[in-house]
Amino acid sequence: EAGVTQFPSHSVIEKGQTVTLRCDPISGHDNLYWYRRVMGKEIKFLLHFVKESKQDESGMPNNRFLAERTGGTYSTLKVQPAELEDSGVYFCASSPSRVSSYGYTFGSGTRLTVV
Amino acid sequence: AQSVTQLGSHVSVSEGALVLLRCNYSSSVPPYLFWYVQYPNQGLQLLLKYTSAATLVKGINGFEAEFKKSETSFHLTKPSAHMSDAAEYFCAVSENLGGATNKLIFGTGTLLAVQP
Repeated sequence: EAGVTQFPSHSVIEKGQTVTLRCDPISGHDNLYWYRRVMGKEIKFLLHFVKESKQDESGMPNNRFLAERTGGTYSTLKVQPAELEDSGVYFCASSPSRVSSYGYTFGSGTRLTVV
Repeated sequence: AQSVTQLGSHVSVSEGALVLLRCNYSSSVPPYLFWYVQYPNQGLQLLLKYTSAATLVKGINGFEAEFKKSETSFHLTKPSAHMSDAAEYFCAVSENLGGATNKLIFGTGTLLAVQP
């Protein structure tokens, strides 16, 4: 079974530019999550999709962040315009169930650097 | 509110020595608890999880953790460290709330170094 795939693995952009991160979950996993780790800090929840619907976006930092999940398959996270504090590693995870006892399968992450 | 505290951002052990990574949690309801590991240039991998069954949980690569409710702890141990255990380890908690987004709350991570 293919795992959770994220790309790009690294992205370096200038402040003010737009970046789009993509996540392909494990096939059949209705639940898709985005997390972020800012340098030196803990990994924090951003949002949760169930199929194509946003279940919880309470962790989204501000309206410069836009997440979508087309047809309940892959998801994109767009940052527009990017700011220096957006730098960090963005993780995607998927799960067959919203019950967390299943655990989540994480992707390798996208390291975003805003300069 | 849930929270996780990992004591020691950096831990160094000798190869063959005991590994002990500490995790304390705070939760208002019975929690689910997890340990994840991130090897260099890789994603987060689930090591083990506690979901209210046995309090001593065995995971992959010889790791285990014990849930102690009285101490609100979920420390990770391995009897004998191997060089390949060098990685960053994350403890996480999730509340067992039916029907909700059971997001993970992570600690700040512990970087384990294994010396030859």
